[in-house]
Amino acid sequence: GQQVMQIPQYQHVQEGEDFTTYCNSSTTLSNIQWYKQRPGGHPVFLIQLVKSGEVKKQKRLTFQFGEAKKNSSLHITATQTTDVGTYFCAGINTGTASKLTFGTGTRLQVTL
Amino acid sequence: DSGVTQTPKHLITATGQRVTLRCSPRSGDLSVYWYQQSLDQGLQFLIQYYNGEERAKGNILERFSAQQFPDLHSELNLSSLELGDSALYFCASSVEVHSGGYTFGSGTRLTVV
Repeated sequence: GQQVMQIPQYQHVQEGEDFTTYCNSSTTLSNIQWYKQRPGGHPVFLIQLVKSGEVKKQKRLTFQFGEAKKNSSLHITATQTTDVGTYFCAGINTGTASKLTFGTGTRLQVTL
Repeated sequence: DSGVTQTPKHLITATGQRVTLRCSPRSGDLSVYWYQQSLDQGLQFLIQYYNGEERAKGNILERFSAQQFPDLHSELNLSSLELGDSALYFCASSVEVHSGGYTFGSGTRLTVV
């Protein structure tokens, strides 16, 4: 079945440092979504990418969808303590039913 | 408040018992999804309903079942509970299938003792 892996599993940075998480799917995706889950909270939708090679920005966050539509990345510039949480990518397999498969997640810890 | 309501927020029950988790989707959303998140684990897709009909199934155990009612709320029934069923159960909703991001509820934390 479809597998979506993320690396790293965990990253600890100092405030102001940059952070990147990578998402890799075993199958081609029709789209990729990114979610953030704060500790003790629920996943919150951040963005959706649909086109091959697409890049979108949200303030300090940059999202990219790979040319082959099998990988994606989220880059945070100058992290802040409010960025703490687990970041999940999620994708829908091309040609199958609507199941959104979540990646394994990257937990980000930011300290002063 | 995300607009997706899940009840109860917490549930503690004994092994072998049966529980029902309830979800009211965001107003206007026709699709409801159920996910299971075990401690420090990712989100495992269980099942999806669209406008009352089952649309997709994930790794849902035979002991688990779900349905979506005409008013679009959904219930997830877990029976013959085992210790390993302890987890956070999230419900999410969206307007249509493939229509963009899902809106998640705050979850039901199930503890089986």
